[in-house]
Amino acid sequence: DQQVKQNSPSLSVQEGRISILNCDYTNSMFDYFLWYKKYPAEGPTFLISISSIKDKNEDGRFTVFLNKSAKHLSLHIVPSQPGDSAVYFCAASAWGAGSYQLTFGKGTKLSVIP
Amino acid sequence: GAGVSQSPRYKVAKRGQDVALRCDPISGHVSLFWYQQALGQGPEFLTYFQNEAQLDKSGLPSDRFFAERPEGSVSTLKIQRTQQEDSAVYLCASSLGAVTGNQPQHFGDGTRLSIL
Repeated sequence: DQQVKQNSPSLSVQEGRISILNCDYTNSMFDYFLWYKKYPAEGPTFLISISSIKDKNEDGRFTVFLNKSAKHLSLHIVPSQPGDSAVYFCAASAWGAGSYQLTFGKGTKLSVIP
Repeated sequence: GAGVSQSPRYKVAKRGQDVALRCDPISGHVSLFWYQQALGQGPEFLTYFQNEAQLDKSGLPSDRFFAERPEGSVSTLKIQRTQQEDSAVYLCASSLGAVTGNQPQHFGDGTRLSIL
């Protein structure tokens, strides 16, 4: 069973507009969530994270929102730039339970159109 | 170097051969992880080290897979008697460590393994 789900395989957004990437999880033990960005032939690059004690974390153009009751998180990119075109992975760990491994979704390919 | 370094970047082996993949974590990082990524999927956890201790190997798919980190720095993932289903990208990640609280894992560029 997939514990972290990214239901949109792809997303296209116009340059300058907002990109919203979504992620759902099923394991209630998850308490630390991360977003990674991946270009072809490179490893995932850490973007932003959020602990379950927060519902929002912001870093420049990137904001992550966490809705624990819905077991849902989202990544907002504003404004979107062509260089943001990549595959975005949502990941989670059960840090408080001593499980430090990351469980990943299958990724969403974002295309930002100039 | 500043980031996680993996070698080789690409490895082609014949079915039945043994392979060894190397990972150099970020200096000072206590925790080290190995993941396997199949085409079109997210990375899947294989094993976790804290310093030289292998604390979790629950993701290793079979006893043909073996990992070590003898001095708490460089790690090697070894696959014996390779099979075609072992073809994947193998990613290594490191982080400062659990004692410092939630810390993100930082990934290398991976080794793409192809078994013929």
